Amino acid sequence: KNQVEQSPQSLIILEGKNCTLQCNYTVSPFSNLRWYKQDTGRGPVSLTIMTFSENTKSNGRYTATLDADTKQSSLHITASQLSDSASYICVVSGETGANNLFFGTGTRLTVIP
Amino acid sequence: DSGVTQTPKHLITATGQRVTLRCSPRSGDLSVYWYQQSLDQGLQFLIQYYNGEERAKGNILERFSAQQFPDLHSELNLSSLELGDSALYFCASSPGGGRAGELFFGEGSRLTVL
Repeated sequence: KNQVEQSPQSLIILEGKNCTLQCNYTVSPFSNLRWYKQDTGRGPVSLTIMTFSENTKSNGRYTATLDADTKQSSLHITASQLSDSASYICVVSGETGANNLFFGTGTRLTVIP
Repeated sequence: DSGVTQTPKHLITATGQRVTLRCSPRSGDLSVYWYQQSLDQGLQFLIQYYNGEERAKGNILERFSAQQFPDLHSELNLSSLELGDSALYFCASSPGGGRAGELFFGEGSRLTVL
């Protein structure tokens, strides 16, 4: 069964600290993996998209890694800011088809001063 | 600003009623996707349209229907509403129609059924 699991479910960190969010998936075949940031009550915004051949991709203070062999990805946030407080959603795309997007339930990150 | 516009932002209605949610995709995008997000739940794919034609269908109830018009805007119709239909409904658009490319999400329509 195609699934995307994220951990932890929620996380609280101090402003300025780093954190890492995890995403494990069983989707096969695999096309790409995306990380989205969703502020409360807002639409998700894309952070990164990674294909099979990409191991690491950065977007400012966000760095995503992908291990396609173990079917694991992580999102590392450096020097967190209060504005990083949001849900981070991992989405895995199957080979073709719009309905072949598999969404994780997200990690809710809270950054406190 | 993603370029995807959804209206209304908020909607409160009663059980048994019918509502229509509207989505205008980014300029030039041919695909429109509808997703439902219930409280503290993940995004659930409902349906996709590409250039006016239904392309893919997910977990969309028979009480729900959608269409995409020649100007590429889309409407999601929800009828015989139940309490459990209360959720955020997101529209997303992308340029292509086959392999799911980059998705751009609107800000959502929050539906509350009382």
